[in-house]
Amino acid sequence: SQQGEEDPQALSIQEGENATMNCSYKTSINNLQWYRQNSGRGLVHLILIRSNEREKHSGRLRVTLDTSKKSSSLLITASRAADTASYFCATAPYSSASKIIFGSGTRLSIRP
Amino acid sequence: GAGVSQSPRYKVAKRGQDVALRCDPISGHVSLFWYQQALGQGPEFLTYFQNEAQLDKSGLPSDRFFAERPEGSVSTLKIQRTQQEDSAVYLCASSLVPEAYGYTFGSGTRLTVV
Repeated sequence: SQQGEEDPQALSIQEGENATMNCSYKTSINNLQWYRQNSGRGLVHLILIRSNEREKHSGRLRVTLDTSKKSSSLLITASRAADTASYFCATAPYSSASKIIFGSGTRLSIRP
Repeated sequence: GAGVSQSPRYKVAKRGQDVALRCDPISGHVSLFWYQQALGQGPEFLTYFQNEAQLDKSGLPSDRFFAERPEGSVSTLKIQRTQQEDSAVYLCASSLVPEAYGYTFGSGTRLTVV
């Protein structure tokens, strides 16, 4: 079963625009992680945000976490063609912090 | 090694055949995880090892699925009497401290059961 649900399921934007993806989850978490997956490849870890953090930055990525709403967002600024991929949020349940449960993902397409 | 290595990259099995999928984690990574990913879906948890101990196997779909990590390094996922619904990409991931650093994934093994 999948804990997180990403929204939207698919997103197509122009190169240079910002992309925002949202994730909602159901149970209390220890941390939330975002991963990128290019077609036919494994997942690449992007960023981890702990339950006591509200915002985190890494390069062009900005992640927010609202534990009261059980939601997170991933913002990619100044998108590039190479950002085309599927993006997944994954939650580490408070009861089992080592194991992460993935959502169904957002497919992001960047138009040149 | 530099990354998580999985082999084979692709496997075609006839229905009823047994298969073994191998994962070489990053050296020193204590935690190792197996996930199953169907086309267009997010990865689904199968099982988790800490060193050689299998701490959680709640995601294994049936008793046809078996995983081991006898020396706390390389892991093998075995599927007996494969069925068409087993067709998926099987992903292995390792981590030094999952709660702090997240996982490093391998490229996966794409299993097709015909």
